[in-house]
Amino acid sequence: QVQLVQSGAEVKKPGASVKVSCKASGYIFTNNGINWVRQAPGQGLEWMGRISGYNGNTNYAQKFQARLTMTTDTSTSTAHMELRSLRSDDTAVYYCARDHDSSDLDYWGQGILVTVSS
Amino acid sequence: DIQMTQSPSSLSASVGDRVTITCRASQSISGYLHWYQQKPGKAPKLLIYTASNLQSGVPSRFSGSGSGTDFTLTISSLQPEDFATYYCQQSYNMPRTFGQGTKVEIK
Repeated sequence: QVQLVQSGAEVKKPGASVKVSCKASGYIFTNNGINWVRQAPGQGLEWMGRISGYNGNTNYAQKFQARLTMTTDTSTSTAHMELRSLRSDDTAVYYCARDHDSSDLDYWGQGILVTVSS
Repeated sequence: DIQMTQSPSSLSASVGDRVTITCRASQSISGYLHWYQQKPGKAPKLLIYTASNLQSGVPSRFSGSGSGTDFTLTISSLQPEDFATYYCQQSYNMPRTFGQGTKVEIK
């Protein structure tokens, strides 16, 4: 069965970077893209970007363009998301989610809480 | 960017009620509209993809309709496990965008 398992919670200081991972199993990793979606406490879902599992091509939301990097490691079927220059309003749960045929998100990771605090 | 607007933002309903949530896109997105359910502390779950297709394992009381700019999610008979927040999302173009969510609460 398809599973996306994310790394553990992180606590970072303002200005630092965070890199989180999403390990996929149960399907051929290169057949689907991985999206990253975040959710601030008590808020809605915010799409951050997508990376192709096939060739690593990326699309980022404009607001994250300057400080976001998504990568994949096809040898381990793992996607990574690095966010730099963290601010307190980056405190959120970060989810990875698999692209399905029409770019609906059919499987999600369990989420990672990233807390940014001095 | 395509803006997605859901209405209402919240609603109160009773078990057995028929519930309708609407999602409007700021421009035509054809049928590239998907619905998710999220319960507190959990990841979102895909309910409906491409406007009207029921995701495998989702109860048939959930249905979706619409095309272009206006879309609807309907729960034909609300069950206790359906109290949650529902989000629409477009995948017509980048960036993907979500609606602000509709919280379905117990009356």
